Amino acid sequence: DAGVTQSPTHLIKTRGQQVTLRCSPKSGHDTVSWYQQALGQGPQFIFQYYEEEERQRGNFPDRFSGHQFPNYSSELNVNALLLGDSALYLCASSLAGAENTEAFFGQGTRLTVV
Amino acid sequence: AQSVTQLDSQVPVFEEAPVELRCNYSSSVSVYLFWYVQYPNQGLQLLLKYLSGSTLVKGINGFEAEFNKSQTSFHLRKPSVHISDTAEYFCAVSDYDDYKLSFGAGTTVTVRA
Repeated sequence: DAGVTQSPTHLIKTRGQQVTLRCSPKSGHDTVSWYQQALGQGPQFIFQYYEEEERQRGNFPDRFSGHQFPNYSSELNVNALLLGDSALYLCASSLAGAENTEAFFGQGTRLTVV
Repeated sequence: AQSVTQLDSQVPVFEEAPVELRCNYSSSVSVYLFWYVQYPNQGLQLLLKYLSGSTLVKGINGFEAEFNKSQTSFHLRKPSVHISDTAEYFCAVSDYDDYKLSFGAGTTVTVRA
């Protein structure tokens, strides 16, 4: 079992650009959540996808959007990047009904905006 | 809405000494509680969780935590730490009917020989 896999592991982008991060959930999981972890802080919930729909969203602007595919994998898109978007982006997968009790996290994508 | 306060940002400790990491939460409803560990340049690994039942929860690597509803606390303890326990530790809370986890700011544990 490969667990939750994220790509790429590191990424450097220029302010104003757009970025796409990818996540493959743990085998058997159908729900994907995304979190942003700024340096020295705890992870902050961005949104969760289930059945290819955004089911719950945290306090993030519309520049942050996502998608879930029929195979349950997910993408996180961030438009018009700001320096403050530099962070570790974590993907967590779970099974519906255990979204908050059995969440497995990936290794994260380190995004640096310059 | 839930919030989590980790009372210590950094905890230095000597090898084989005990350690306690403090966590308080605020929520108007019943909650689930978690402790995660993050090693350098890695994701989050679940140490233990409280869902219901016994208020003393045992986790991996010799860690345990006690849920105290009256004090809204969920402190993490280990009786004897190792160098390999050096990491960032996060307390998290989730309402019963919520989908997300809300994390504290983290506690950095540094174990010295």
